[in-house]
Amino acid sequence: QAGLTQPPSVSKGLRQTATLTCSGNSNNVGDQGAAWLQQHQGHPPKLLSYRNNNRPSGISERFSASRSGNTASLTITGLQPEDEADYYCSAWDSSLSAWVFGGGTKLTVL
Amino acid sequence: EVQLVESGGGLVQPGGSLRLSCAASGFTFSTYWMSWVRQAPGKGLEWVALIKQDGSEKYYVDSVKGRFTISRDNAKNSLYLQMNSLRAEDTAVYYCAREDVQYQTLNGMDVWGQGTTVTVSS
Repeated sequence: QAGLTQPPSVSKGLRQTATLTCSGNSNNVGDQGAAWLQQHQGHPPKLLSYRNNNRPSGISERFSASRSGNTASLTITGLQPEDEADYYCSAWDSSLSAWVFGGGTKLTVL
Repeated sequence: EVQLVESGGGLVQPGGSLRLSCAASGFTFSTYWMSWVRQAPGKGLEWVALIKQDGSEKYYVDSVKGRFTISRDNAKNSLYLQMNSLRAEDTAVYYCAREDVQYQTLNGMDVWGQGTTVTVSS
């Protein structure tokens, strides 16, 4: 099953803004958007944004999600050292009847 | 506290079987769709299986169809994954995750367990 496309790595400076992208098609991202997860090394993933771009309770306003066509984006403002992690997008694919994930983006905060 | 706790992982030979369990607490388990997601060593996340609240609908990634079975016992607040004919490529940390559904749309996996490790090797 084809996955979503994410850049393998992004590097940004402290207090800067990072925008991570996730490309899919009209059956997944283009249909209802993508959810975003953060995973620190050795820990389970944590949901940052639902597919409707809403944040779960307790997630900082520095994390915001959006979508344009078949591409979803996660913007992180005021980068902090603790934002250094792997970020994954995911979407339900209506043609496959399956969840598809992106390969993940490793964010480095310089 | 909302919590998911997986168990049942271990070392198994190729062709063998294993049954994973996930104990849910702190929320009304019977009202949520649930998924299993795995992560091979050093790799990304891969969704494995999904089950509806009452078990009437089940979905699987192609690579496990016919080998893995997802099930649940709402009376015991538990989710299961029966894994048969295991292969080396099934080696991974297996997470159970709660699904958020909005207006009949799967919206994201909002609660995750700590994971249980499955190693398939001779």
